[in-house]
Amino acid sequence: GAGVSQSPRYKVAKRGQDVALRCDPISGHVSLFWYQQALGQGPEFLTYFQNEAQLDKSGLPSDRFFAERPEGSVSTLKIQRTQQEDSAVYLCASSGPDGLHEQYFGPGTRLTVT
Amino acid sequence: QKEVEQDPGPLSVPEGAIVSLNCTYSNSAFQYFMWYRQYSRKGPELLMYTYSSGNKEDGRFTAQVDKSSKYISLFIRDSQPSDSATYLCAITPGGYQKVTFGTGTKLQVIP
Repeated sequence: GAGVSQSPRYKVAKRGQDVALRCDPISGHVSLFWYQQALGQGPEFLTYFQNEAQLDKSGLPSDRFFAERPEGSVSTLKIQRTQQEDSAVYLCASSGPDGLHEQYFGPGTRLTVT
Repeated sequence: QKEVEQDPGPLSVPEGAIVSLNCTYSNSAFQYFMWYRQYSRKGPELLMYTYSSGNKEDGRFTAQVDKSSKYISLFIRDSQPSDSATYLCAITPGGYQKVTFGTGTKLQVIP
C-alpha cells in the first residue's frame, strides 16, 4: 500500500513507562507531521519535519516528548515516563513538495496509559 | 478564545438531506481552509481545500469561505449513510504548513 502507516496501532503502557511510536510516510514525501488527538477533539499539532530537519516542535507538550526522523523518511515519536494525560491517539501525516496543504494521515496509534 | 471554533454536534439528518457544517476562526492571517472527514478509528482524510473567499464545488460537496466574517462552511447535498463521520475544519496561514483543526462535528445520516 502507498499510504501512511503507523505502528503499533494500539499501545497500553503503565504510568512511568517509555513508549516509541513509529510512522512510515508516503515514499518521497518530504514533510512529516505528528498530531495528538484526544477523545472528542480535533488533532493538535505536535511537531513538523522537513526531510530530517525538525523545523517546528512548538506543539510538544513537555520535554518528555521527543521526535526524530534521522534519515528523512521513517519517524519515531518517543514519550518518556508516560502519564495518564498522555492517553490519546497519535496521528502522523505526510505531504509532498507540491502537495501544499494536502496532508495524508495514517490510521494513528491509540495510546492508553494505565 | 480558540483559533477555530466548531460545533461538535452530534448532527443527525435523514438520507437525502442537505447538510451544513460550519466553523469560525479568529485570526485574519489564516489563508488556507480545509475540510477533513474522519471515520471512526481512522485518520482524517482531506475532502477539500480552498484559499479564497467564495465557493468551491466537488461533486456533492461545496466548501464556502467568507473571509470578511471569518466563517467557513461545508455543504453536503443528497447526504448518504456513508457520509456518517466526523467532519473537521482546518486552517493554516500558508507557507509552512502548520494546520489548526476544529474540534470536529459528528454527523449521522439515517437511512
